[in-house]
Amino acid sequence: GDSVTQMEGPVTLSEEAFLTINCTYTATGYPSLFWYVQYPGEGLQLLLKATKADDKGSNKGFEATYRKETTSFHLEKGSVQVSDSAVYFCALSDSGTASKLTFGTGTRLQVTL
Amino acid sequence: DTEVTQTPKHLVMGMTNKKSLKCEQHMGHRAMYWYKQKAKKPPELMFVYSYEKLSINESVPSRFSPECPNSSLLNLHLHALQPEDSALYLCASSQDLWGGVGQETQYFGPGTRLLVL
Repeated sequence: GDSVTQMEGPVTLSEEAFLTINCTYTATGYPSLFWYVQYPGEGLQLLLKATKADDKGSNKGFEATYRKETTSFHLEKGSVQVSDSAVYFCALSDSGTASKLTFGTGTRLQVTL
Repeated sequence: DTEVTQTPKHLVMGMTNKKSLKCEQHMGHRAMYWYKQKAKKPPELMFVYSYEKLSINESVPSRFSPECPNSSLLNLHLHALQPEDSALYLCASSQDLWGGVGQETQYFGPGTRLLVL
C-alpha cells in the first residue's frame, strides 16, 4: 500500500537558518504530493503541491521538488522565521484509488530568535 | 477562495449527550471528508461523501453518524461518545473524489476541538 515517511522531529532552528524536512514515499500509481502545515491550535493548511515528476511546488518561500527517481519530496526554505514554527505534514494522493490522502507522521519545527 | 468553515470551534459534551458538528464550503466541491486527529498524530480519515452520497466509511463506530444535506454542507452527529473520542475533528473538501490529477487537492477547515467528559 501507499506510505509516506518523514524525518523525526522536533527540528529546532535559529531564525534565518536553512530548513530541510525530508519526505519519501511509496505508491503503486502516480501520486500527487503535498505539504500541509498546521499551526498550534489550528487546522491543516495546504502549503504547496506537485502533481508529476520534476514539478516544483512553492509558496511563502517554501519549495519542494517531486523526485520520482528517489521517491522524495523534501521541503526546503532558505531563511526560516519564528512564525514558521508549526507541524509540517507530507502527504500523497494516489489518483488511481480515489483522492484519499496518505499522511506522514508530521515534523514539528521550532524556530527561535 | 479556498475556505472551509466549521462550527463550533470548541465542544464539551458528556457521554450521554447528542451533539452535531457542522462543516460548510462554497467552492463547488463535490467531495467532502471528515477526519479525526489526536494530539501529535496525523489526521485519520473517517468518512468521505461524493456527490452527497457516502462513498467511504473507514469502519467508524456507529456513535458517529455523518450526514450530507446538500453539496455545500456536511454534518457529523455525535451520540454516546467515549472519553477516547476527544480529539480535533477536521472537515475537508476537494473538487472531486475520482476526478484524478488536479481535482484531488483537499482543503481543510479549522477544526472542532471536542472534549468528552
